[in-house]
Amino acid sequence: DSGVTQTPKHLITATGQRVTLRCSPRSGDLSVYWYQQSLDQGLQFLIQYYNGEERAKGNILERFSAQQFPDLHSELNLSSLELGDSALYFCASSVAVHTDTQYFGPGTRLTVL
Amino acid sequence: DAKTTQPNSMESNEEEPVHLPCNHSTISGTDYIHWYRQLPSQGPEYVIHGLTSNVNNRMASLAIAEDRKSSTLILHRATLRDAAVYYCIGVRGAQKLVFGQGTRLTINP
Repeated sequence: DSGVTQTPKHLITATGQRVTLRCSPRSGDLSVYWYQQSLDQGLQFLIQYYNGEERAKGNILERFSAQQFPDLHSELNLSSLELGDSALYFCASSVAVHTDTQYFGPGTRLTVL
Repeated sequence: DAKTTQPNSMESNEEEPVHLPCNHSTISGTDYIHWYRQLPSQGPEYVIHGLTSNVNNRMASLAIAEDRKSSTLILHRATLRDAAVYYCIGVRGAQKLVFGQGTRLTINP
Protein backbone atom coordinates (compact mmCIF):
# COMPACT_ATOMS: atom_id res chain seq x y z
CA ASP A 1 0.00 0.00 0.00
CA SER A 2 1.59 3.25 -1.21
CA GLY A 3 -0.52 5.47 1.03
CA VAL A 4 -2.06 7.24 -1.97
CA THR A 5 -5.78 6.70 -2.33
CA GLN A 6 -7.90 7.20 -5.42
CA THR A 7 -11.64 7.10 -5.82
CA PRO A 8 -13.57 5.70 -7.49
CA LYS A 9 -11.84 2.48 -8.56
CA HIS A 10 -14.01 2.09 -11.61
CA LEU A 11 -16.15 4.54 -13.52
CA ILE A 12 -18.38 3.78 -16.46
CA THR A 13 -20.02 6.65 -18.25
CA ALA A 14 -21.26 7.77 -21.65
CA THR A 15 -19.75 10.01 -24.29
CA GLY A 16 -20.30 13.69 -23.66
CA GLN A 17 -20.50 13.31 -19.91
CA ARG A 18 -18.30 14.83 -17.22
CA VAL A 19 -16.57 12.97 -14.39
CA THR A 20 -14.38 13.84 -11.42
CA LEU A 21 -11.56 11.63 -10.19
CA ARG A 22 -10.27 12.15 -6.69
CA CYS A 23 -6.83 11.61 -5.18
CA SER A 24 -5.57 11.83 -1.61
CA PRO A 25 -1.77 12.00 -1.40
CA ARG A 26 0.37 10.35 1.25
CA SER A 27 0.42 12.19 4.54
CA GLY A 28 3.00 14.97 4.32
CA ASP A 29 3.38 14.92 0.55
CA LEU A 30 2.89 18.32 -1.05
CA SER A 31 3.18 17.35 -4.73
CA VAL A 32 0.47 15.57 -6.68
CA TYR A 33 0.78 14.26 -10.23
CA TRP A 34 -1.77 12.84 -12.62
CA TYR A 35 -0.95 10.28 -15.29
CA GLN A 36 -3.04 8.58 -17.94
CA GLN A 37 -2.39 5.03 -19.11
CA SER A 38 -4.03 3.82 -22.28
CA LEU A 39 -3.22 0.79 -24.40
CA ASP A 40 -1.97 2.79 -27.38
CA GLN A 41 -0.23 5.69 -25.58
CA GLY A 42 1.26 4.01 -22.54
CA LEU A 43 1.75 6.00 -19.32
CA GLN A 44 1.63 9.73 -19.95
CA PHE A 45 2.09 12.63 -17.56
CA LEU A 46 -0.86 15.01 -17.46
CA ILE A 47 -0.30 17.63 -14.79
CA GLN A 48 1.47 18.36 -11.49
CA TYR A 49 0.45 20.44 -8.50
CA TYR A 50 2.61 21.52 -5.61
CA ASN A 51 1.00 22.86 -2.45
CA GLY A 52 -2.05 24.05 -4.34
CA GLU A 53 -0.27 25.60 -7.31
CA GLU A 54 0.04 24.16 -10.79
CA ARG A 55 3.70 23.29 -11.40
CA ALA A 56 3.96 21.44 -14.68
CA LYS A 57 1.71 20.48 -17.53
CA GLY A 58 2.04 17.58 -19.89
CA ASN A 59 -0.20 16.42 -22.71
CA ILE A 60 -3.40 17.35 -20.93
CA LEU A 61 -6.38 18.06 -23.15
CA GLU A 62 -8.27 21.32 -22.79
CA ARG A 63 -11.35 19.28 -21.84
CA PHE A 64 -9.45 18.11 -18.75
CA SER A 65 -8.69 20.21 -15.72
CA ALA A 66 -7.33 19.61 -12.26
CA GLN A 67 -6.91 21.34 -8.96
CA GLN A 68 -5.30 20.75 -5.59
CA PHE A 69 -7.21 21.85 -2.53
CA PRO A 70 -5.90 23.34 0.75
CA ASP A 71 -6.04 19.92 2.39
CA LEU A 72 -3.77 18.77 -0.50
CA HIS A 73 -6.19 16.32 -2.07
CA SER A 74 -6.56 16.72 -5.79
CA GLU A 75 -9.31 16.27 -8.34
CA LEU A 76 -9.06 15.63 -12.05
CA ASN A 77 -12.10 16.75 -14.02
CA LEU A 78 -12.75 15.22 -17.42
CA SER A 79 -15.51 16.73 -19.53
CA SER A 80 -17.13 16.16 -22.92
CA LEU A 81 -15.87 12.63 -22.67
CA GLU A 82 -14.95 10.70 -25.80
CA LEU A 83 -14.42 6.98 -26.35
CA GLY A 84 -10.68 7.61 -26.53
CA ASP A 85 -10.62 8.93 -22.97
CA SER A 86 -11.15 5.39 -21.71
CA ALA A 87 -8.00 4.65 -19.74
CA LEU A 88 -6.48 4.11 -16.34
CA TYR A 89 -5.84 7.35 -14.50
CA PHE A 90 -3.14 7.31 -11.84
CA CYS A 91 -2.38 9.83 -9.20
CA ALA A 92 1.05 9.98 -7.58
CA SER A 93 2.47 12.06 -4.76
CA SER A 94 5.88 13.06 -3.52
CA VAL A 95 7.24 15.13 -0.69
CA ALA A 96 8.57 18.01 -2.73
CA VAL A 97 9.20 19.26 -6.23
CA HIS A 98 12.82 18.41 -6.85
CA THR A 99 14.07 14.96 -7.70
CA ASP A 100 12.26 12.61 -5.38
CA THR A 101 10.37 9.35 -5.29
CA GLN A 102 6.79 9.31 -6.52
CA TYR A 103 4.24 7.05 -4.88
CA PHE A 104 1.39 5.94 -7.07
CA GLY A 105 -2.19 5.19 -6.18
CA PRO A 106 -4.10 2.14 -7.43
CA GLY A 107 -5.70 4.09 -10.24
CA THR A 108 -9.19 4.79 -11.50
CA ARG A 109 -10.32 2.82 -14.52
CA LEU A 110 -12.53 5.00 -16.71
CA THR A 111 -14.68 3.41 -19.38
CA VAL A 112 -16.51 5.68 -21.79
CA LEU A 113 -19.31 3.95 -23.73
CA ASP B 1 14.55 14.44 -19.82
CA ALA B 2 17.03 11.79 -20.88
CA LYS B 3 15.76 9.36 -23.50
CA THR B 4 16.12 5.75 -22.35
CA THR B 5 16.20 2.50 -24.31
CA GLN B 6 15.26 -0.85 -22.81
CA PRO B 7 14.64 -4.31 -24.27
CA ASN B 8 10.94 -4.96 -24.82
CA SER B 9 10.95 -8.19 -22.85
CA MET B 10 13.12 -10.49 -20.79
CA GLU B 11 12.62 -13.86 -19.20
CA SER B 12 14.24 -15.45 -16.20
CA ASN B 13 13.75 -18.28 -13.76
CA GLU B 14 12.61 -18.10 -10.19
CA GLU B 15 15.37 -17.70 -7.60
CA GLU B 16 17.91 -16.66 -10.22
CA PRO B 17 19.41 -13.18 -10.54
CA VAL B 18 18.01 -10.86 -13.20
CA HIS B 19 19.92 -8.05 -14.87
CA LEU B 20 17.72 -5.49 -16.61
CA PRO B 21 19.70 -3.13 -18.87
CA CYS B 22 18.94 0.46 -19.79
CA ASN B 23 20.75 2.76 -22.18
CA HIS B 24 20.56 6.51 -21.60
CA SER B 25 23.29 7.95 -23.77
CA THR B 26 21.84 11.50 -23.77
CA ILE B 27 21.78 11.79 -20.01
CA SER B 28 23.04 15.02 -18.49
CA GLY B 29 25.15 15.35 -15.38
CA THR B 30 22.17 16.31 -13.24
CA ASP B 31 19.76 13.60 -14.41
CA TYR B 32 18.95 10.93 -11.89
CA ILE B 33 18.21 7.41 -13.09
CA HIS B 34 14.99 6.10 -11.59
CA TRP B 35 13.53 2.63 -11.90
CA TYR B 36 9.87 1.94 -11.40
CA ARG B 37 7.92 -1.23 -12.00
CA GLN B 38 4.29 -1.92 -12.67
CA LEU B 39 2.80 -5.19 -11.54
CA PRO B 40 -0.32 -6.41 -13.35
CA SER B 41 -3.40 -4.35 -12.51
CA GLN B 42 -1.48 -2.01 -10.19
CA GLY B 43 0.00 1.46 -10.28
CA PRO B 44 3.71 1.95 -10.87
CA GLU B 45 5.93 1.28 -7.88
CA TYR B 46 9.26 2.92 -7.12
CA VAL B 47 12.18 0.50 -7.13
CA ILE B 48 15.42 2.45 -6.85
CA HIS B 49 17.27 5.50 -8.12
CA GLY B 50 20.81 6.81 -8.37
CA LEU B 51 23.03 9.51 -9.83
CA THR B 52 26.59 8.27 -10.18
CA SER B 53 27.49 5.49 -7.81
CA ASN B 54 25.90 2.10 -7.40
CA VAL B 55 22.94 1.89 -5.07
CA ASN B 56 21.38 -0.92 -3.06
CA ASN B 57 18.08 -1.21 -1.27
CA ARG B 58 15.89 -4.04 -0.02
CA MET B 59 14.32 -4.52 -3.43
CA ALA B 60 17.23 -4.32 -5.84
CA SER B 61 20.63 -2.96 -6.79
CA LEU B 62 21.38 -0.33 -9.38
CA ALA B 63 24.68 -0.39 -11.21
CA ILE B 64 25.46 2.81 -13.12
CA ALA B 65 28.21 2.82 -15.73
CA GLU B 66 31.15 5.13 -15.14
CA ASP B 67 30.21 7.27 -18.17
CA ARG B 68 26.56 7.23 -17.01
CA LYS B 69 25.34 6.26 -20.47
CA SER B 70 23.84 3.02 -19.21
CA SER B 71 22.66 1.33 -16.07
CA THR B 72 21.53 -2.10 -14.92
CA LEU B 73 18.85 -2.97 -12.43
CA ILE B 74 19.72 -6.15 -10.58
CA LEU B 75 17.16 -8.35 -8.87
CA HIS B 76 19.29 -10.70 -6.84
CA ARG B 77 16.84 -13.56 -6.50
CA ALA B 78 13.78 -13.23 -8.67
CA THR B 79 10.42 -14.41 -7.39
CA LEU B 80 7.17 -14.83 -9.26
CA ARG B 81 6.04 -11.59 -7.67
CA ASP B 82 8.77 -9.74 -9.56
CA ALA B 83 7.00 -10.34 -12.88
CA ALA B 84 6.18 -6.83 -14.03
CA VAL B 85 7.00 -4.11 -16.53
CA TYR B 86 10.17 -2.31 -15.46
CA TYR B 87 10.71 1.29 -16.45
CA CYS B 88 14.05 3.09 -16.51
CA ILE B 89 13.51 6.85 -16.42
CA GLY B 90 15.90 9.80 -16.54
CA VAL B 91 14.63 12.47 -14.17
CA ARG B 92 15.74 16.08 -14.22
CA GLY B 93 14.57 18.67 -11.74
CA ALA B 94 10.92 19.15 -12.64
CA GLN B 95 10.27 15.58 -11.70
CA LYS B 96 7.56 14.59 -14.08
CA LEU B 97 8.17 10.97 -15.06
CA VAL B 98 8.41 10.23 -18.77
CA PHE B 99 7.62 6.55 -19.14
CA GLY B 100 8.84 4.62 -22.17
CA GLN B 101 7.67 1.16 -23.13
CA GLY B 102 9.71 -0.51 -20.39
CA THR B 103 10.84 -4.12 -20.19
CA ARG B 104 8.25 -6.79 -19.56
CA LEU B 105 9.89 -9.30 -17.22
CA THR B 106 8.55 -12.84 -17.12
CA ILE B 107 9.61 -15.15 -14.30
CA ASN B 108 9.34 -18.88 -14.89
CA PRO B 109 8.65 -21.14 -11.89
